[in-house]
Amino acid sequence: RKEVEQDPGPFNVPEGATVAFNCTYSNSASQSFFWYRQDCRKEPKLLMSVYSSGNEDGRFTAQLNRASQYISLLIRDSKLSDSATYLCAVNPGFSGGYNKLIFGAGTRLAVHP
Amino acid sequence: DAGVIQSPRHEVTEMGQEVTLRCKPISGHDYLFWYRQTMMRGLELLIYFNNNVPIDDSGMPEDRFSAKMPNASFSTLKIQPSEPRDSAVYFCASSLGWGGGMDTDTQYFGPGTRLTVL
Repeated sequence: RKEVEQDPGPFNVPEGATVAFNCTYSNSASQSFFWYRQDCRKEPKLLMSVYSSGNEDGRFTAQLNRASQYISLLIRDSKLSDSATYLCAVNPGFSGGYNKLIFGAGTRLAVHP
Repeated sequence: DAGVIQSPRHEVTEMGQEVTLRCKPISGHDYLFWYRQTMMRGLELLIYFNNNVPIDDSGMPEDRFSAKMPNASFSTLKIQPSEPRDSAVYFCASSLGWGGGMDTDTQYFGPGTRLTVL
């Protein structure tokens, strides 16, 4: 089982739709959680950190479910400009062998008119 | 503020040649990470440094790859000799710290070097 898993998609949604992605992680001791956005041929850029209590930034909501070991990203009122690949990243902590971020393979989102 | 700087942005070389990729982290960041991204394998961590010291190089593919960080503002990733399977985008990232929570753990990526080995 991979340490961090995502549905690769693509998710094809119309403008204005609500779409949600999940990301599962295998190490229950994982400490920090992030969502990154990557546009084609560009570097990953931090979209938002994921806090235990859940957090929201405009149209984006991130949540953490420690019991089931997954994080989620909800995008409301999708825009064409949201089309990108969304990477989740997890810090497995020292129990995972050193401190580092493990990235999922990414979920591709395509928003169409 | 300047972000992570990488050079060159594109590199095309022939098999067997030496390739050197360069990275300047964000000033004040104590951690520097080298990643490789391919369609098949996604984003893979190759090596990371803390205060210029290599901490984990378990992701380095083989002896042909080496990385150095002679000072806090400069790191290199070298491939010698290069092979076609090394073709990928190589990213450098830096973070303020590690293990202190979201703010310190957040990694900021450079624009990457797109390497093509013919």
